[in-house]
Amino acid sequence: DAGVTQTPRHEVAEKGQTIILKCEPVSGHNDLFWYRQTKIQGLELLSYFRSKSLMEDGGAFKDRFKAEMLNSSFSTLKIQPTEPKDSAVYLCASSRDWDEQYFGPGTRLTVL
Amino acid sequence: GDSVTQTEGLVTLTEGLPVKLNCTYQTAYSDVAFFWYVQHLNEAPKLLLRSSTDNKRTEHQGFHATLHKSSSSFHLQKSSVQLSDSALYFCALSDNTGYQNFYFGKGTSLTVIP
Repeated sequence: DAGVTQTPRHEVAEKGQTIILKCEPVSGHNDLFWYRQTKIQGLELLSYFRSKSLMEDGGAFKDRFKAEMLNSSFSTLKIQPTEPKDSAVYLCASSRDWDEQYFGPGTRLTVL
Repeated sequence: GDSVTQTEGLVTLTEGLPVKLNCTYQTAYSDVAFFWYVQHLNEAPKLLLRSSTDNKRTEHQGFHATLHKSSSSFHLQKSSVQLSDSALYFCALSDNTGYQNFYFGKGTSLTVIP
């Protein structure tokens, strides 16, 4: 089985830009998660989908972060507008029925 | 709500020594699973161990952990660390409350030196 794929692997954006990160979950998985990872905060949940329905929208991240799942095999995370404090690694993970999460390799975002 | 606590942020050990990474949790639910993930530098987190059975030892790749519901703990141990064990280790729990709630600890960075 192919694992979780994420593109791009690296992204550099100017402050105020809009960026879109992409994720393809493991085939057959019905849960999809977006996380932000920093050394200080660790893993922070941004969004959680179950069977394409948004279950968790990340509370404090709602205003500039929007995740969508257009079909069961593709999800996007839009950050608009970007700020320097958004510089982090963004991880996508998928799972099936309350089991272990499989993580993608992540997108390293740098906002100048 | 549920929470996971990893008390050590950074651990540095000499190769060959034992290691114990602490993980305690709080949850109001009984139907819960526990995980340890390992993340090597510039790689994705990967599952290391999983358990949902009280007092049962789980082992993988030389690491082991035992879920103790009486003390709300799921500590990770290894008898002899290797240089390749240097990584970030996350403890996590998942409770089945109708939809999945997954909680991660902040992680413990383990560095093994020669």
